Amino acid sequence: EAGVAQSPRYKIIEKRQSVAFWCNPISGHATLYWYQQILGQGPKLLIQFQNNGVVDDSQLPKDRFSAERLKGVDSTLKIQPAKLEDSAVYLCASSQHAGPHNEQFFGPGTRLTVL
Amino acid sequence: GENVEQHPSTLSVQEGDSAVIKCTYSDSASNYFPWYKQELGKRPQLIIDIRSNVGEKKDQRIAVTLNKTAKHFSLHITETQPEDSAVYFCAASKKSDYKLSFGAGTTVTVRA
Repeated sequence: EAGVAQSPRYKIIEKRQSVAFWCNPISGHATLYWYQQILGQGPKLLIQFQNNGVVDDSQLPKDRFSAERLKGVDSTLKIQPAKLEDSAVYLCASSQHAGPHNEQFFGPGTRLTVL
Repeated sequence: GENVEQHPSTLSVQEGDSAVIKCTYSDSASNYFPWYKQELGKRPQLIIDIRSNVGEKKDQRIAVTLNKTAKHFSLHITETQPEDSAVYFCAASKKSDYKLSFGAGTTVTVRA
């Protein structure tokens, strides 16, 4: 089965610029997650979608970050404007259903460098 | 929210020896504890998980133990091999929100 796809794999921008990341989850997976993984740390959940609705965005910096999952399949995460501290790997994950007994499958991530 | 602490941050073992990574969690409502392996430049992958109604689980060379009273759980890798070299993350979630809170990770290096 095809895994979670993400693009781009790498992105370098200057601070105050905008950037967008794309994620295509595993076919049929209802739940989609965006994580931020800063170097040397574990992934931190930014936002969780169930189909096309937001389940949890409590840790999303809403003044600069936004995400959408139109049609309940693909998702985009945007940062506008970017700050130096946004440099991280952005991981997308999906699971068949929400819940602790459903494995989350991760994509390869997008490595963002903000200069 | 849930706070997961993981120790050690780095671990170097001789090939064939065992490796043990320990995690503690703060929220007694947490009931699901997965472990992820992340090789350099690759995505995290689930290697084993345990639920709060079980004290121990094994899968070949990997085992996980859970002590609910002390709120800690551990990953044990026996007969380590070079391909076990990676960063390992523990995580915890609770039934009310299903969010995974990750530890900071342990970099395991298996010396040949």
